Amino acid sequence: AQSVAQPEDQVNVAEGNPLTVKCTYSVSGNPYLFWYVQYPNRGLQFLLKYITGDNLVKGSYGFEAEFNKSQTSFHLKKPSALVSDSALYFCAVRDMDDSWGKLQFGAGTQVVVTP
Amino acid sequence: EAQVTQNPRYLITVTGKKLTVTCSQNMNHEYMSWYRQDPGLGLRQIYYSMNVEVTDKGDVPEGYKVSRKEKRNFPLILESPSPNQTSLYFCASSLSVQATDTQYFGPGTRLTVL
Repeated sequence: AQSVAQPEDQVNVAEGNPLTVKCTYSVSGNPYLFWYVQYPNRGLQFLLKYITGDNLVKGSYGFEAEFNKSQTSFHLKKPSALVSDSALYFCAVRDMDDSWGKLQFGAGTQVVVTP
Repeated sequence: EAQVTQNPRYLITVTGKKLTVTCSQNMNHEYMSWYRQDPGLGLRQIYYSMNVEVTDKGDVPEGYKVSRKEKRNFPLILESPSPNQTSLYFCASSLSVQATDTQYFGPGTRLTVL
């Protein structure tokens, strides 16, 4: 069975500082990894995904994520955080061998960016 | 605009009163799914559909029903809602069931069952 862990319930960062949101996963086969962001009173917005190839994936709004197979991690990063990045971030995984499309989500990490 | 829509966005109801939350997508997607979001638990899949007339249970299907009579619509039905179904519900769709496909989410429906 696949699972995702987001070890931090909340991440606090000052505007302009680097932002990292951690994610580790467990799958039986090869993973496909996704990051979504949820702004207050909004749905989930897709940020980026890792399917194969380059371990560094670039996505929307200046975010990127690094896939590390040996550490089974897919941490989300942004070099310089903005106050508008304050939101709830979800990591999700799908197993390559999964035939029914299930997306397994982590519990979410609340990001708070202070001016 | 390509989107997933849900209605209603907010709903307060009482125990046992049947309700339906509608979901519609205009992207001709084959795969559709319902999730519920609860604090500390992330999103959990309720039901999914790989195409018209093909539906199956997700991780937390108890107390819910779905139907997929048309490709664009995937309503979620609560025949007899209970307070433990108070939650934030999301509908999602993707082009196909392939694991590489991105799922796109609706705006959410916040349901309160009294």
